[in-house]
Amino acid sequence: GQQVMQIPQYQHVQEGEDFTTYCNSSTTLSNIQWYKQRPGGHPVFLIQLVKSGEVKKQKRLTFQFGEAKKNSSLHITATQTTDVGTYFCVHNTDKLIFGTGTRLQVFP
Amino acid sequence: DGGITQSPKYLFRKEGQNVTLSCEQNLNHDAMYWYRQDPGQGLRLIYYSQIVNDFQKGDIAEGYSVSREKKESFPLTVTSAQKNPTAFYLCASSMERGYTFGSGTRLTVV
Repeated sequence: GQQVMQIPQYQHVQEGEDFTTYCNSSTTLSNIQWYKQRPGGHPVFLIQLVKSGEVKKQKRLTFQFGEAKKNSSLHITATQTTDVGTYFCVHNTDKLIFGTGTRLQVFP
Repeated sequence: DGGITQSPKYLFRKEGQNVTLSCEQNLNHDAMYWYRQDPGQGLRLIYYSQIVNDFQKGDIAEGYSVSREKKESFPLTVTSAQKNPTAFYLCASSMERGYTFGSGTRLTVV
């Protein structure tokens, strides 16, 4: 079945440093969604991208969808301890296909 | 407030017993889903339902059963045939775009 891979699997950063997670698929994606899951919590929808080359920003978060619609990235500028959690990229068809996730740890 | 309610939050069961996890939504969403998450892993789809009285198997349906008699409710039964049932179970619903997740049920089989 279709797989959506994310790198890195884990990332530890000092508060104030930037963070980026990358999402890759072997097939073209009709869309990409991003979710954040805090430790012990449930995934929370962040954003959806559908257009080739699309870039969207939410405060310190920047989301990109690749030109070929096979990859995506999430960049966080100047991380804060509240950014801790696992970030998933997800392909939404008639069901959600979750990426493998990137766990972010931020040290104060 | 609209949302998805999963109960209970924590559940302990003896090996060999069936157990049913509750999922209720008041968002008027047509589609509902059950996912399983193991420690440090992503979510894997168990079952989903896009309309009342209809549901489809996901990637890991073996050992699980569901029903969708009402739009608001999508209970999941973990049967004794599920070989490794200890996990975090998440219910979700959607209309379009983003999905809304419940707070999850942590099932431990002893």
